[in-house]
Amino acid sequence: EAQVTQNPRYLITVTGKKLTVTCSQNMNHEYMSWYRQDPGLGLRQIYYSMNVEVTDKGDVPEGYKVSRKEKRNFPLILESPSPNQTSLYFCASSSPGTSGEQFFGPGTRLTVL
Amino acid sequence: AQSVTQLGSHVSVSEGALVLLRCNYSSSVPPYLFWYVQYPNQGLQLLLKYTSAATLVKGINGFEAEFKKSETSFHLTKPSAHMSDAAEYFCAVSALQGAQKLVFGQGTRLTINP
Repeated sequence: EAQVTQNPRYLITVTGKKLTVTCSQNMNHEYMSWYRQDPGLGLRQIYYSMNVEVTDKGDVPEGYKVSRKEKRNFPLILESPSPNQTSLYFCASSSPGTSGEQFFGPGTRLTVL
Repeated sequence: AQSVTQLGSHVSVSEGALVLLRCNYSSSVPPYLFWYVQYPNQGLQLLLKYTSAATLVKGINGFEAEFKKSETSFHLTKPSAHMSDAAEYFCAVSALQGAQKLVFGQGTRLTINP
């Protein structure tokens, strides 16, 4: 089954404790993105990657890091999480020439205390 | 720059009534437009997309949307609401073919009254 998977689905942590949210896709997509969803703001792009070792900032990159060492994986790293990063996070993937349609993972709900 | 405005953060309709969710966009280039649906505790699922072919686009679950360039709108409709349509709906714009950034509206939560 074609899908985007994320782990963990739920995470409660404390301020300053480094964490990584994993994302993997099995559709051989070149493009991958991370979004955060906040009430009243919709989804906003954090980072995106156009291929292995190629990443760039989205609209809200502060406090986040990403890496793309393999085509299928695109982890999101919070080196020193803060309460304002409490949010619902989505990973998405897509291919060139699909008019921008993106396939989304199930989401990771992060709470930073 | 692209932007999307969804009019109404909450819409409530009766079962069997018409569903109309409004979306207006701003784009400096011909847009690609999408409607996604998010059911409780799930990810986003594509409902339908406009990619410069037919202006009336049909999607899954009986939804359709009409692209109106003169009004910069892409409203989502369904003739008869079903209880299972209760969800949050997002309109999004992608500026260029192959561009990997979707700009989302704020979302509209649809409630269906029995």
